[in-house]
Amino acid sequence: RKEVEQDPGPFNVPEGATVAFNCTYSNSASQSFFWYRQDCRKEPKLLMSVYSSGNEDGRFTAQLNRASQYISLLIRDSKLSDSATYLCVVNMNRDDKIIFGKGTRLHILP
Amino acid sequence: EPEVTQTPSHQVTQMGQEVILRCVPISNHLYFYWYRQILGQKVEFLVSFYNNEISEKSEIFDDQFSVERPDGSNFTLKIRSTKLEDSAMYFCASRKGSSNQPQHFGDGTRLSIL
Repeated sequence: RKEVEQDPGPFNVPEGATVAFNCTYSNSASQSFFWYRQDCRKEPKLLMSVYSSGNEDGRFTAQLNRASQYISLLIRDSKLSDSATYLCVVNMNRDDKIIFGKGTRLHILP
Repeated sequence: EPEVTQTPSHQVTQMGQEVILRCVPISNHLYFYWYRQILGQKVEFLVSFYNNEISEKSEIFDDQFSVERPDGSNFTLKIRSTKLEDSAMYFCASRKGSSNQPQHFGDGTRLSIL
């Protein structure tokens, strides 16, 4: 099983729709989780941290399920500017090794 | 808002030459990282650095690679004898404190090995 696994997509979603991605991780000792977005040929930019109780930031909601070892990202009322690749990032605190998923490509259609 | 800066934005080097990529992390951050991303592939961890020493490195980070924080502000990645397969985007990142805090990335150096 890969350390961090994501559906590569692409997800083609009409503007205004709701879309959700999952990410699974293999190491149960993983402690910190993040969602980043990456635009074509640009650096990863932090979208949000993922907290154990789940958290929301505007149109974005992140959830963590430790029992099943996955995190999710929900985007409501999607905008054209949400088109990007969404990267799941897992940090094993013990050795400060950061693992990126391959990313999920999202295209918002006008 | 403070940001991580990287220079140069694009470096073209002959195979076998040494290259140094430079980064200035956010000033009050304590943890520093290098990643690479080959075109079309995922972001790969290379090395983490804390308290003036390497804290973790990946299998990619072999004897050809080294990192240094020479003056308290710069954080450099050196590749001693470059190979064609070193061509990639190299990202520097820094983090303020504990590992539940996110990393902030520079906008990268595109390294092209000829």
